[in-house]
Amino acid sequence: DVKVTQSSRYLVKRTGEKVFLECVQDMDHENMFWYRQDPGLGLRLIYFSYDVKMKEKGDIPEGYSVSREKKERFSLILESASTNQTSMYLCASRDKNIQYFGAGTRLSVL
Amino acid sequence: GNSVTQMEGPVTLSEEAFLTINCTYTATGYPSLFWYVQYPGEGLQLLLKATKADDKGSNKGFEATYRKETTSFHLEKGSVQVSDSAVYFCALSGQGAQKLVFGQGTRLTINP
Repeated sequence: DVKVTQSSRYLVKRTGEKVFLECVQDMDHENMFWYRQDPGLGLRLIYFSYDVKMKEKGDIPEGYSVSREKKERFSLILESASTNQTSMYLCASRDKNIQYFGAGTRLSVL
Repeated sequence: GNSVTQMEGPVTLSEEAFLTINCTYTATGYPSLFWYVQYPGEGLQLLLKATKADDKGSNKGFEATYRKETTSFHLEKGSVQVSDSAVYFCALSGQGAQKLVFGQGTRLTINP
């Protein structure tokens, strides 16, 4: 079974803090993705990566950056967290046109 | 650009009722279509998919048929169970694309 693991289920941070969300997959997939999920908006793509050190902006990259130093790990970084970044964050990896998701990190920015 | 529109929720049904969740899409070329399901407290998991016109995806009693003429991929189940309570997402992947485009999700609650 494909396993996508997100390091935290719940996080509470303060405005202005630098926040790291970590995601690890165990199936040697080249493509990895970060989404945020908000009620009524579905999932929106923040960034994706198609190889180590390669990244592309998704639909809502503002306020975020990413890092992919190793194939299995894809990190989402909030340089200076703001309250409008309170959301559920989902990581996924892709193989043969199917995306496999982690359980999500619910981030609250106070 | 590509887009997906889903039936608005929430949807509440009684056990053993018939379920339809509508999904229509806009895309160029020949996209692949998916239904993902998110159970409470979990990430999304693939429920079923179809990669070309008239394909029918099916899994766990759910079905959806790729209708190019109506640009639709409606999800159906003949007899729902309490355990089907979840949020359902319709999604598409453009031809040759790596990204998925999601609908807004439909929350389904099944009462015993």
